[in-house]
Amino acid sequence: GAGVSQSPSNKVTEKGKDVELRCDPISGHTALYWYRQRLGQGLEFLIYFQGNSAPDKSGLPSDRFSAERTGESVSTLTIQRTQQEDSAVYLCASSLRGYEQFFGPGTRLTVL
Amino acid sequence: GIQVEQSPPDLILQEGANSTLRCNFSDSVNNLQWFHQNPWGQLINLFYIPSGTKQNGRLSATTVATERYSLLYISSSQTTDSGVYFCAGGNNNNDMRFGAGTRLTVKP
Repeated sequence: GAGVSQSPSNKVTEKGKDVELRCDPISGHTALYWYRQRLGQGLEFLIYFQGNSAPDKSGLPSDRFSAERTGESVSTLTIQRTQQEDSAVYLCASSLRGYEQFFGPGTRLTVL
Repeated sequence: GIQVEQSPPDLILQEGANSTLRCNFSDSVNNLQWFHQNPWGQLINLFYIPSGTKQNGRLSATTVATERYSLLYISSSQTTDSGVYFCAGGNNNNDMRFGAGTRLTVKP
């Protein structure tokens, strides 16, 4: 596609449920990033994928968070046993070999 | 990891005024971007500027890599410039860190 797309745009879930967020990067972009943005705050790095290399998971806040990417295509971010503190906007970005990043519109997650 | 400090945290301008936003890094970076987050939350790329100066219309940016800072200039501000401006920088492909942002309000 022309830009980075994310789905769903909004997700409301109950505490304790699992959620899966999807990111479609710009075609041909080898690098993909996930960030979390809490209300009124900056972006918090979560995880980075570059081609077939092992992902950099250093930003994942707990073992309830995981992400996968198949080759250089779609990525999914999974949050298990969601907590209210997980409520945030989850942003995905892609880039060509780790340079200029382009962001998707985000998924707004609300945990009740 | 790299620490990114942005200033000022908040800025209120009258339409038509000029402003300068600053971004300081705790270490040298070779990868640096400025973004504008609009009221709908979308991050808009403004500049990819690891060094030097670039201009795009009323906006320009300068990065002095040796002194670990970057500046974003907004001239003749408009109400549509309102939003949050972020800078992000890093040294490796996976090491981009964001500042806390500057919240700009331009009043008509």
